[in-house]
Amino acid sequence: QVQLEQSGSELKKPGASVKVSCKASGYTFTNYGMHWVRQAPGQGLEWMAWINTNTGNPTSAQGFTGRFVFSVDTSTTTAHLQINSLKPEDSALYYCVRGISMTQGRNAFNIWGQGTMVTVSS
Amino acid sequence: DIQMTQSPSSLSASVGDRVTITCRASQDISNYLAWYQQKPGRVPKFLIYGASSLQSGVPTRFSASGSGTDFTLTISGLQPEDVATYYCQHYKSAPLTFGGGTKVEI
Repeated sequence: QVQLEQSGSELKKPGASVKVSCKASGYTFTNYGMHWVRQAPGQGLEWMAWINTNTGNPTSAQGFTGRFVFSVDTSTTTAHLQINSLKPEDSALYYCVRGISMTQGRNAFNIWGQGTMVTVSS
Repeated sequence: DIQMTQSPSSLSASVGDRVTITCRASQDISNYLAWYQQKPGRVPKFLIYGASSLQSGVPTRFSASGSGTDFTLTISGLQPEDVATYYCQHYKSAPLTFGGGTKVEI
């Protein structure tokens, strides 16, 4: 079945980097764009970006450029989110999500990874 | 960027009640609107796409309508398992923003 399996929780110090992985299975990886959604503790859902799984080109929301690096590895059908120069306010649950329609861009999200908790604390 | 505003931010209702949640877009998004349900500690669940199309497997007590800028999600006959936070999200163009959420309690 269609699945997005994310890497495990991370505890990092401020200034460090973290890389979150999202392994896709059960469908043709390059037929769908991959999106990332953030949820800070006790807060709502925040769309971060989507990445074209054919070209590797990301489109990010304001606030998720620069320190946030979105990439894909088609050979392993895995999407990655790297956050550099971590700040305490980056502490959140990060979800990779796939859309319902076979498209690289805008979409409603019917497939969600289980989420990866990133905690930034000294 | 398109802003999504949900109301109310929270509500309390009784089992069997009809519950309506409103979502307003800051500009015309046609029918590029989805709804999600998130129970505490759980991954969001996809309910509705295309403003009114029910995702397979979602109970038929959930319905939604709207087009343009104004949308509603209705739960006809609230059940205990419907306690959750509900989010709308537009997918007209990037950034694909979510509403702030509506917490439904019994």
